[in-house]
Amino acid sequence: GEDVEQSLFLSVREGDSSVINCTYTDSSSTYLYWYKQEPGAGLQLLTYIFSNMDMKQDQRLTVLLNKKDKHLSLRIADTQTGDSAIYFCAVGDNYGQNFVFGPGTRLSVLP
Amino acid sequence: EPEVTQTPSHQVTQMGQEVILRCVPISNHLYFYWYRQILGQKVEFLVSFYNNEISEKSEIFDDQFSVERPDGSNFTLKIRSTKLEDSAMYFCASMRDRHYEQYFGPGTRLTVT
Repeated sequence: GEDVEQSLFLSVREGDSSVINCTYTDSSSTYLYWYKQEPGAGLQLLTYIFSNMDMKQDQRLTVLLNKKDKHLSLRIADTQTGDSAIYFCAVGDNYGQNFVFGPGTRLSVLP
Repeated sequence: EPEVTQTPSHQVTQMGQEVILRCVPISNHLYFYWYRQILGQKVEFLVSFYNNEISEKSEIFDDQFSVERPDGSNFTLKIRSTKLEDSAMYFCASMRDRHYEQYFGPGTRLTVT
């Protein structure tokens, strides 16, 4: 089955860019998502990309997809303290079913 | 903006008891899901539900689990006889149609003692 991996921790300084990486194994994955989870809270959909796209930009967020390497990244420009959270990569199949989540990357933003 | 809601936010129950976790998906959504997250671990898929039946389930979703859409708005997850290892955050999600994004509720924290 699908396996999704992420590095577990990332620390950046306020104002810098953050890049959170994700790799997956199933090349037929069609839908790739980024969710944010603040402490004690639910999963907030940040952005998503379809597998026929290479890049998607949404305000401070840029998603890059390298389908050949099965690598997805989320770049947060001008990272703020409010961006501190756990970021989950999730991939879904062509039917949008059965999302598989990565373990999450804990982003710490230092003042 | 419409959102998925879940009740209760926290449920404490004794081992062996039945629990029902409730979700109200976004009103025009057709696909419904339950996921769980054991503290500090990955979010894991449990079950998907479409057209009043289960469309897919994971190996976690054994005979102790069931789902139901009893009316036009609620979507419930029942655990018949809870075990200590069922303690987790349970997330409901809904999706408008197959090629759209899933929206998650805030979760119900289930604690089994």
